[in-house]
Amino acid sequence: AQKITQTQPGMFVQEKEAVTLDCTYDTSDPSYGLFWYKQPSSGEMIFLIYQGSYDQQNATEGRYSLNFQKARKSANLVISASQLGDSAMYFCAMRVTLYGNNRLAFGKGNQVVVIP
Amino acid sequence: GAGVSQSPRYKVTKRGQDVALRCDPISGHVSLYWYRQALGQGPEFLTYFNYEAQQDKSGLPNDRFSAERPEGSISTLTIQRTEQRDSAMYRCASSPATGANVLTFGAGSRLTVL
Repeated sequence: AQKITQTQPGMFVQEKEAVTLDCTYDTSDPSYGLFWYKQPSSGEMIFLIYQGSYDQQNATEGRYSLNFQKARKSANLVISASQLGDSAMYFCAMRVTLYGNNRLAFGKGNQVVVIP
Repeated sequence: GAGVSQSPRYKVTKRGQDVALRCDPISGHVSLYWYRQALGQGPEFLTYFNYEAQQDKSGLPNDRFSAERPEGSISTLTIQRTEQRDSAMYRCASSPATGANVLTFGAGSRLTVL
């Protein structure tokens, strides 16, 4: 069965510092995709970054980068130069394929609070 | 439309009543997904459509839950005989095609069953 694990407790980060959010996954599919979404207190779900299982390089999007370690089945999100607006829940997700149908399976999330 | 639109944003109902939650996806998006998110948890898959065809409904918790997308655009998630445990945020998402990488989520419908 495919699953996503996010086990870190809530994190406090100093503004301008970098923060790493852990995500491990489990799948037997050779082809899969990994995503990170941000959910601020307003409740929206905001797509941040995507990594394909066959991508040779780690994905980057502005201050976000994904530390993809395929052998370890981990896809950690790194946020550089934290800003107050980065305070949010962060969800790791994996695209899974069941009976030819695609869906995203989400982890339980990591809470980040950026302090000035 | 420009984004995924969901209505109502908030719904309070009494146990035993039926509720219908509506989702209007991004124009032209083929795939439409329904998720449920309990407080402090990640979104949980319920069902999804390609065009008007319901491709996967394995995440629907029981037969009180149903969904339709009759014309391949707007979708309705219906919960019959609501129970308190149905209280959650119900989120709709759409993507340009099945297997396309990014799901765009709506703001959600917050359901409270008293």
